[in-house]
Amino acid sequence: DGGITQSPKYLFRKEGQNVTLSCEQNLNHDAMYWYRQDPGQGLRLIYYSQIVNDFQKGDIAEGYSVSREKKESFPLTVTSAQKNPTAFYLCASSMGLNSYNEQFFGPGTRLTVL
Amino acid sequence: RKEVEQDPGPFNVPEGATVAFNCTYSNSASQSFFWYRQDCRKEPKLLMSVYSSGNEDGRFTAQLNRASQYISLLIRDSKLSDSATYLCVVNQDTGNQFYFGTGTSLTVIP
Repeated sequence: DGGITQSPKYLFRKEGQNVTLSCEQNLNHDAMYWYRQDPGQGLRLIYYSQIVNDFQKGDIAEGYSVSREKKESFPLTVTSAQKNPTAFYLCASSMGLNSYNEQFFGPGTRLTVL
Repeated sequence: RKEVEQDPGPFNVPEGATVAFNCTYSNSASQSFFWYRQDCRKEPKLLMSVYSSGNEDGRFTAQLNRASQYISLLIRDSKLSDSATYLCVVNQDTGNQFYFGTGTSLTVIP
């Protein structure tokens, strides 16, 4: 089945630890995105990538890092510099630069900092 | 000013009712528009794209008003299964960024 997978579904982290969230897609999409969603708020863009080996900061990139070494994969690292990392993290992909291409989402990772 | 604004609701309607949501966007250069549905603790899923001429998919009708910079979603004959949060999404085609509204909560009551 084609789609986007994220792992793990739930993640618990101690303060001061870096954690990496996985996102993989087999849709052959060029563009991939990371969002976080907090209760009562809309999705906020962390990073996005339109092509392999290139990525751009979104609105709330501080405390996060990404890589795009393969078209299928766009992992997100939540570093200890992120002050309030507890949130629902969503990965998405779209076909590419054409703005008429809708985004498809993975099932998300719920990160809780203990 | 937020890029995309929605009335958060909640909207509580009886089964069979017709309900409409509006969403306004700030950038007149916006190119494409979508409605997504998000169930509790799940990922957003595309409900429908919104075309300039308006479009319909079964009980759902989406419309775009570029002059007033808003899009709308009309749901007819509401079902219990329509209960969800509906997200308005706008793409400005600059850097291919998508902007999401905070969502409108709908509960359909038996």
